[in-house]
Amino acid sequence: GAGVSQSPSNKVTEKGKDVELRCDPISGHTALYWYRQSLGQGLEFLIYFQGNSAPDKSGLPSDRFSAERTGGSVSTLTIQRTQQEDSAVYLCASSLYAVSARNTEAFFGQGTRLTVV
Amino acid sequence: AQSVAQPEDQVNVAEGNPLTVKCTYSVSGNPYLFWYVQYPNRGLQFLLKYITGDNLVKGSYGFEAEFNKSQTSFHLKKPSALVSDSALYFCAVRPSGNTPLVFGKGTRLSVIA
Repeated sequence: GAGVSQSPSNKVTEKGKDVELRCDPISGHTALYWYRQSLGQGLEFLIYFQGNSAPDKSGLPSDRFSAERTGGSVSTLTIQRTQQEDSAVYLCASSLYAVSARNTEAFFGQGTRLTVV
Repeated sequence: AQSVAQPEDQVNVAEGNPLTVKCTYSVSGNPYLFWYVQYPNRGLQFLLKYITGDNLVKGSYGFEAEFNKSQTSFHLKKPSALVSDSALYFCAVRPSGNTPLVFGKGTRLSVIA
């Protein structure tokens, strides 16, 4: 597609429910990233994918968070048993080359605003 | 640890005046530095990057940034601010190895007419 697409744009869920956030990267981009942006905070790195594999999962805040990427394209971030502190904007980004290509910028989607009530 | 710092949470400037949004970095090796802008309810948009070469980098929307190795800084600048420049600005560094962008906490720029 023309840009990184994320869905839904907004999600309100009850505490304890599971949610799935979807990211459709720019076609042909090999690297995909998930970040979290909380009110008044910067961007917190969660996880990245190189193709379908996730070499670095260190940013996931707890074992309630998981992500997968299939076919080297679409990625899903799943949060199980949501808590109020999970409320944030979840941003997805993709870049053309491998993460190791340091001079490559990442392109961001518009984010999913998650509210846990 | 590889990091960037944006010392100002908020910058206010009058329309037509020059603007500067500050960023300092801490990395080992050569720094690869980026600036992004986030408009309300939007994702981040890439503005410019420094990889190597000229210390003054020109980017989108008339923005530029000056890389200063001795001061470990990469300040974002624009000669004449517009009200439409009001947004949240993020500085980022790409550390070595297979590591994604590391972002600063952001600086909110407010351009007043």
